[in-house]
Amino acid sequence: GESVGLHLPTLSVQEGDNSIINCAYSNSASDYFIWYKQESGKGPQFIIDIRSNMDKRQGQRVTVLLNKTVKHLSLQIAATQPGDSAVYFCAEKGGGNKLTFGTGTQLKVEL
Amino acid sequence: DAGVIQSPRHEVTEMGQEVTLRCKPISGHDYLFWYRQTMMRGLELLIYFNNNVPIDDSGMPEDRFSAKMPNASFSTLKIQPSEPRDSAVYFCASKHRDRSFGELFFGEGSRLTVL
Repeated sequence: GESVGLHLPTLSVQEGDNSIINCAYSNSASDYFIWYKQESGKGPQFIIDIRSNMDKRQGQRVTVLLNKTVKHLSLQIAATQPGDSAVYFCAEKGGGNKLTFGTGTQLKVEL
Repeated sequence: DAGVIQSPRHEVTEMGQEVTLRCKPISGHDYLFWYRQTMMRGLELLIYFNNNVPIDDSGMPEDRFSAKMPNASFSTLKIQPSEPRDSAVYFCASKHRDRSFGELFFGEGSRLTVL
């Protein structure tokens, strides 16, 4: 039969603006969360991680926020640049040593 | 520094053929992971090794899939016989034991098309 591909949610931002990419996770027992960036034709690239005993962590131009009450994770990118255009995935680590990846959000930076 | 190296980058084969994907992890990394990415299912862990020993292969779809790591610098993922539903991008990733669990370094992937 014909297969139907998933359409990724897309976030379009102007160069220089801040971007906020959201992720809902499913496992309330997850204790570790990660954001990855995947550019076209390449493998995922680690951006930043956060443990469940924290609600905020900052990196270079990126901030991850964790709200365990509503099982929500967000990635904020400051002063978005064309090189930030990519698909962004959140991932969670529940029991064991496995990561469960989200479906991803396509970030498009408009000049 | 060389990253994770995968080969081939692209493979087109016919149903029933054997496929072997290869991976060279980053030198000094103790963990090696094989992932599969499709539009329908996203990124899925197939198997991972620690110090060349398979730790968790519960993600391997079925007996047609097998993975080996004969030494610290080489791993293979084999599909025999291949089927059209195996078409996907297969990623290898490695991690150093001192890094956080999610600090994986991915290769550029092997895109497999089974006709």
